[in-house]
Amino acid sequence: GAVVSQHPSWVICKSGTSVKIECRSLDFQATTMFWYRQFPKQSLMLMATSNEGSKATYEQGVEKDKFLINHASLTLSTLTVTSAHPEDSSFYICSARREDYGYTFGSGTRLTVV
Amino acid sequence: DQQVKQNSPSLSVQEGRISILNCDYTNSMFDYFLWYKKYPAEGPTFLISISSIKDKNEDGRFTVFLNKSAKHLSLHIVPSQPGDSAVYFCAAIVQGSGSRLTFGEGTQLTVNP
Repeated sequence: GAVVSQHPSWVICKSGTSVKIECRSLDFQATTMFWYRQFPKQSLMLMATSNEGSKATYEQGVEKDKFLINHASLTLSTLTVTSAHPEDSSFYICSARREDYGYTFGSGTRLTVV
Repeated sequence: DQQVKQNSPSLSVQEGRISILNCDYTNSMFDYFLWYKKYPAEGPTFLISISSIKDKNEDGRFTVFLNKSAKHLSLHIVPSQPGDSAVYFCAAIVQGSGSRLTFGEGTQLTVNP
């Protein structure tokens, strides 16, 4: 149990376009989901905490207008990178929290902006 | 402010030997600690955890030790296998509503056959 599906696993987009990443909890309901970003050889940096039915809580330094998070249901959170630029190229990972299984991570999305 | 630190970016051991990965933390409010394993281009997978009320937790080849007074934890893998080669992250949390994980920088473990 406690499977989190993240899609797409990789995406290449042109500079200035927007990209949507989906994170789904397949067999449990997740009231809280988390979005992380990982640069090469660095730690996972928490970007925002996504709560179902309410606005996301962004970490300091993360632009909420650039990284739009929607958590419209208990099984789906989306991260939209708006007007992407090459510096947004990174590995994005979502995580869902469930009381008995702790934290389960998605498989990540490699975003490359050209 | 890096509240969770893994000072060794890499570790190389021979197959069959013990691997010891270390992690230090500064926030005394952390009361639960986790270790994750991560392969390139994949999300982290949970390995083992420990509550602050314990000083040791064992699961098969993996043992986590916690020294609260030193704010230090370590992950022991014995015997190490080539398939254990991956990046290992320690993470800490203050349990409660809205709590989130704070990760260390990770240690790349390479187990040589």
